[in-house]
Amino acid sequence: DGGITQSPKYLFRKEGQNVTLSCEQNLNHDAMYWYRQDPGQGLRLIYYSQIVNDFQKGDIAEGYSVSREKKESFPLTVTSAQKNPTAFYLCASTKTPRRGGYTGELFFGEGSRLTVL
Amino acid sequence: KNEVEQSPQNLTAQEGEFITINCSYSVGISALHWLQQHPGGGIVSLFMLSSGKKKHGRLIATINIQEKHSSLHITASHPRDSAVYICAAGGNTDKLIFGTGTRLQVFP
Repeated sequence: DGGITQSPKYLFRKEGQNVTLSCEQNLNHDAMYWYRQDPGQGLRLIYYSQIVNDFQKGDIAEGYSVSREKKESFPLTVTSAQKNPTAFYLCASTKTPRRGGYTGELFFGEGSRLTVL
Repeated sequence: KNEVEQSPQNLTAQEGEFITINCSYSVGISALHWLQQHPGGGIVSLFMLSSGKKKHGRLIATINIQEKHSSLHITASHPRDSAVYICAAGGNTDKLIFGTGTRLQVFP
């Protein structure tokens, strides 16, 4: 079955360490997204990519980095520059966003919960 | 004021009750999404609609473009419907604006 796989599900990090969250999809979707979820807040967009080797900053990109070397993979690195990294991170994809707006169903992974000790 | 607001924030119901969750938005949209977040954190897309009404099983989503309002209804609610329901507005950019969610608990 097609879907999005995020790993690890739980991750603990010491302050000052970079960590990378994996997101892999086998849906043949062009567009992939990383969101952050904090208690009492809506999902916030960190980065998104509409095509291989290209990505754009979302609303809260500071302290994060991404790459899109393959269509199937969109890893997120939480760097030591991110001041409050403890959060739940969700990866999502859509088939093809049309210019100027979304189209198509959103598919999400199961999420990765990062805790900074 | 948030661009996408949901009500209520929390909702409890007895099994079999009819449930309504509301979503109001202040932005122009191309589509309105309803999502379900399970207790484990994973999110599933329920509906994407830009006009009218859609139905899937016991779930019904409606949208009124003029009033900038959407509702998600659950008929004959069941404990397995317990989850957080999130609406998200897709406007004329590549980004979605998410509501903060409605936590539903259905008791047997």
